Amino acid sequence: GENVEQHPSTLSVQEGDSAVIKCTYSDSASNYFPWYKQELGKGPQLIIDIRSNVGEKKDQRIAVTLNKTAKHFSLHITETQPEDSAVYFCAASERGDKLIFGTGTRLQVFP
Amino acid sequence: KAGVTQTPRYLIKTRGQQVTLSCSPISGHRSVSWYQQTPGQGLQFLFEYFSETQRNKGNFPGRFSGRQFSNSRSEMNVSTLELGDSALYLCASSLGSVWGEKLFFGSGTQLSVL
Repeated sequence: GENVEQHPSTLSVQEGDSAVIKCTYSDSASNYFPWYKQELGKGPQLIIDIRSNVGEKKDQRIAVTLNKTAKHFSLHITETQPEDSAVYFCAASERGDKLIFGTGTRLQVFP
Repeated sequence: KAGVTQTPRYLIKTRGQQVTLSCSPISGHRSVSWYQQTPGQGLQFLFEYFSETQRNKGNFPGRFSGRQFSNSRSEMNVSTLELGDSALYLCASSLGSVWGEKLFFGSGTQLSVL
């Protein structure tokens, strides 16, 4: 079955800097890769996703890149703000199958 | 419209007991998925229900079970509780008809097993 590894587990950045979180997956049949953000006391919320027919997707300060050959994908946050502080989860799934999540990255943005 | 509602918010049980958690999805959503969240393990998939039928299942023992009602509300049950079952249990709903669609998560039920 699918296995998703996520690094780093914690990440601290200064406000205004960029943050990068990386994930690798094992199942070459996976073709959907979402990223979720979880704030304290809340459930995860989708922030961006990408499918295997696309190499990069951007939404304002957030971007995701996908390398299908290497089986890894990354989340890039530019111009970080204190409200970006949260736990971020990557995930992967094959069509019609369950979504498998990584172990999460705790991002802290210091003012 | 109202989000995903999970009840209760907190639960304290002792080993050997059983527990039932409830999830009310967003109106119109027919798929409900359940996840177990523990520190360091991330979100682990338990099962997914769509139109009252289990559509996908994770690698959890048979002590973990679920069901979905005709109004799409879902319950999950854990029997013979173990200390390791202490976790945040999240449910997520979606329309369920399109692959790779957005999941809407509830705030979870925090279960503590003593």
